Amino acid sequence: KNQVEQSPQSLIILEGKNCTLQCNYTVSPFSNLRWYKQDTGRGPVSLTIMTFSENTKSNGRYTATLDADTKQSSLHITASQLSDSASYICVVRGFVDMRFGAGTRLTVKP
Amino acid sequence: GAGVSQSPRYKVAKRGRDVALRCDSISGHVTLYWYRQTLGQGSEVLTYSQSDAQRDKSGRPSGRFSAERPERSVSTLKIQRTEQGDSAVYLCASSPYGNTEAFFGQGTRLTVV
Repeated sequence: KNQVEQSPQSLIILEGKNCTLQCNYTVSPFSNLRWYKQDTGRGPVSLTIMTFSENTKSNGRYTATLDADTKQSSLHITASQLSDSASYICVVRGFVDMRFGAGTRLTVKP
Repeated sequence: GAGVSQSPRYKVAKRGRDVALRCDSISGHVTLYWYRQTLGQGSEVLTYSQSDAQRDKSGRPSGRFSAERPERSVSTLKIQRTEQGDSAVYLCASSPYGNTEAFFGQGTRLTVV
């Protein structure tokens, strides 16, 4: 069983709408959690990093939350744009190793 | 500035053949990861190595996958006796020691026929 589970697997929304992506993990010990955006044909690029003591962090229209007690994180995208169409990958880091979620494929339609 | 670079971008291999994929990471980065993405199965870490150039901590699946690091900023992922299930995008990522962000290459798409 993967130590990082993401949901939904794919999502289609209309431009301008909001959406929330989920990441549940069992990685222990926990160091930090990052959300990456991966455009088609490109490598993932970091959006946000959450450490144990952080609950919420925003980066423009992206807001990530972390509940270290329940080991859950979410990525909320506000006022989606066509350029938000991409895969969003949750990566959880232990002391050394990284564990990757399978990603959520987001499609924003006009 | 130089980022993480992978080559080739695309590779077609006959089933049963060995392949080698190259990653040029960022100078000074200590930890280097190889992982692959497949449709339907998501992402899995294959190997990662730290400052010891020759140490390879293999993830899943083991055996046919190995990584060599002849230089600190160069890694080669070797896949022996390729299988059709190995068809995937192989991504390389590196991170500086003491830092946590991993920087990714653009990936190599391997197709096993």
